[in-house]
Amino acid sequence: NAGVTQTPKFRVLKTGQSMTLLCAQDMNHEYMYWYRQDPGMGLRLIHYSVGEGTTAKGEVPDGYNVSRLKKQNFLLGLESAAPSQTSVYFCASSPGTGRNEQYFGPGTRLTVT
Amino acid sequence: DAKTTQPTSMDCAEGRAANLPCNHSTISGNEYVYWYRQIHSQGPQYIIHGLKNNETNEMASLIITEDRKSSTLILPHATLRDTAVYYCIVRHQGGSEKLVFGKGTKLTVNP
Repeated sequence: NAGVTQTPKFRVLKTGQSMTLLCAQDMNHEYMYWYRQDPGMGLRLIHYSVGEGTTAKGEVPDGYNVSRLKKQNFLLGLESAAPSQTSVYFCASSPGTGRNEQYFGPGTRLTVT
Repeated sequence: DAKTTQPTSMDCAEGRAANLPCNHSTISGNEYVYWYRQIHSQGPQYIIHGLKNNETNEMASLIITEDRKSSTLILPHATLRDTAVYYCIVRHQGGSEKLVFGKGTKLTVNP
């Protein structure tokens, strides 16, 4: 099992550009999450999904959109990137159905100039 | 979710057991104790969780006191690669709630 993978690993964007971060998991997990982590701060939840075709807002959803068209994939989109979105983005998945330990991907380091 | 208290930092010699304590005196009866760690520049990693019985897996052991007000994560033979920040989290099993990491314990394994 590859576990949770994220694409790309690094990206530099100019203000106003758009991009999509891809998260894939091969563990047949129901739940998937997108977090961001900034220096000296903990994880902050952006959006999450409790199943294929569903999404929900976390604590910092503004400026981001997500889609979960397939159970194994969770996409995070930035429509118009801003310097405040410079961060490390982590995707995670959890089994659901009574178990919620979360398994994380390696992260995407995004810089917006 | 119940609040947890962990020491800010700990040191351990390579090859020795690392014992990381966590206090969670306000834990409720249906809350579990979860441990995660984050190695520098990597994603957080789930280690182990338990309710009231001691648990062991390939990575670590979790010892929960009988009154469930504290627990200890044990890495039996620490290696340099175990240097990381370790987080103790108390939460209900199930559900889709976000993970909330406190400050954690910075464990440094020394050669």
